[in-house]
Amino acid sequence: ETGVTQTPRHLVMGMTNKKSLKCEQHLGHNAMYWYKQSAKKPLELMFVYNFKEQTENNSVPSRFSPECPNSSHLFLHLHTLQPEDSALYLCASSQPAAVPGELFFGEGSRLTVL
Amino acid sequence: GENVEQHPSTLSVQEGDSAVIKCTYSDSASNYFPWYKQELGKGPQLIIDIRSNVGEKKDQRIAVTLNKTAKHFSLHITETQPEDSAVYFCAAHMDSNYQLIWGAGTKLIIKP
Repeated sequence: ETGVTQTPRHLVMGMTNKKSLKCEQHLGHNAMYWYKQSAKKPLELMFVYNFKEQTENNSVPSRFSPECPNSSHLFLHLHTLQPEDSALYLCASSQPAAVPGELFFGEGSRLTVL
Repeated sequence: GENVEQHPSTLSVQEGDSAVIKCTYSDSASNYFPWYKQELGKGPQLIIDIRSNVGEKKDQRIAVTLNKTAKHFSLHITETQPEDSAVYFCAAHMDSNYQLIWGAGTKLIIKP
């Protein structure tokens, strides 16, 4: 138990569906992240929120839309996805993003786009 | 752009032997180098890290070495055990944009 909980653990959706991934952290951290993990590739940082403000958006397609209502919760809204978006989506949290230190990851949401 | 290269992609060692995984980075301003272990069905978990003002750090069977001149760092696991089987990721932190740049991972297999 890392203190970061992601739901759902598995999600299958069609290309025209709209779904959301949820992340919750109980560690009192002020930075939260979405990463995309594909097989045999480096982790890809998608979004960073620092004190609820989005500080990074690494050229992610607009079909992925993040939301951070407070420092404990992070969402990733999905719509009109493509099959190549199938991957493991990892949420992480840490102390403020400017200070290099440990990232605490959830167990991930495995997304399959048909 | 900045990148981190990690080798090998797969490493198979006999239980009890040592394992070494190497990473090289391109940005000489990188100052923080963590190693994460990812077990099947779980997220990555930090196992050891090193900062640029230190050359070596040890924690029981795990050690990390850093060569800033050559821009490479390595993870050493001694007396390997079955529970060491996992995928290991290295990363380098860039001060300029607060981001971690990740290696592609090494699948470590411990043979009984």
